[in-house]
Amino acid sequence: AQRVTQPEKLLSVFKGAPVELKCNYSYSGSPELFWYVQYSRQRLQLLLRHISRESIKGFTADLNKGETSFHLKKPFAQEEDSAMYYCALSGRGDGGYQKVTFGTGTKLQVIP
Amino acid sequence: KAGVTQTPRYLIKTRGQQVTLSCSPISGHRSVSWYQQTPGQGLQFLFEYFSETQRNKGNFPGRFSGRQFSNSRSEMNVSTLELGDSALYLCASSLEGASTDTQYFGPGTRLTVL
Repeated sequence: AQRVTQPEKLLSVFKGAPVELKCNYSYSGSPELFWYVQYSRQRLQLLLRHISRESIKGFTADLNKGETSFHLKKPFAQEEDSAMYYCALSGRGDGGYQKVTFGTGTKLQVIP
Repeated sequence: KAGVTQTPRYLIKTRGQQVTLSCSPISGHRSVSWYQQTPGQGLQFLFEYFSETQRNKGNFPGRFSGRQFSNSRSEMNVSTLELGDSALYLCASSLEGASTDTQYFGPGTRLTVL
């Protein structure tokens, strides 16, 4: 079974402060991990995926297999970063095909 | 390209009724996944369809079913509605599969069961 845990429902930081959104996973194989973001009144959209190793809007995430974590980080928070963030894992489901499991999400609130 | 569309956007039903939700993927996308979103449980995977075949199914009762047509459009059906089925139902499309390609989400259908 695969599981994604986001321990914080709400994270409040001041503008300019560093941000770290936590994500831990449980999966027996080699997972593929994603971060999705939902801004106010917008659709859920992909922010980044670990396989591409890119930085989007200043955010980065490193897969730590030893700690089974995929934390999302940004050195300096901006007001426009306020949104709901979901960590997701792609792994092999019961049907033999890959399926995506989402965490419960963390609301990031950047205080001006 | 037009984005993922879902109809209807809002639905109010009573317990025991059934409901059908529709999802039109982005043109060229062959995979459609369905999710249930609630404040308490977050996003939960319902099922994924690819080329008219169900690939995977989440841990939902048999009252939840779906299908995909040859044009990749997908429908989800919930029979014998319960109060707990009240949620936002999201569909997402991708080129070849949710696991390998970026998923593009629709705006959702808000279902309220009274």
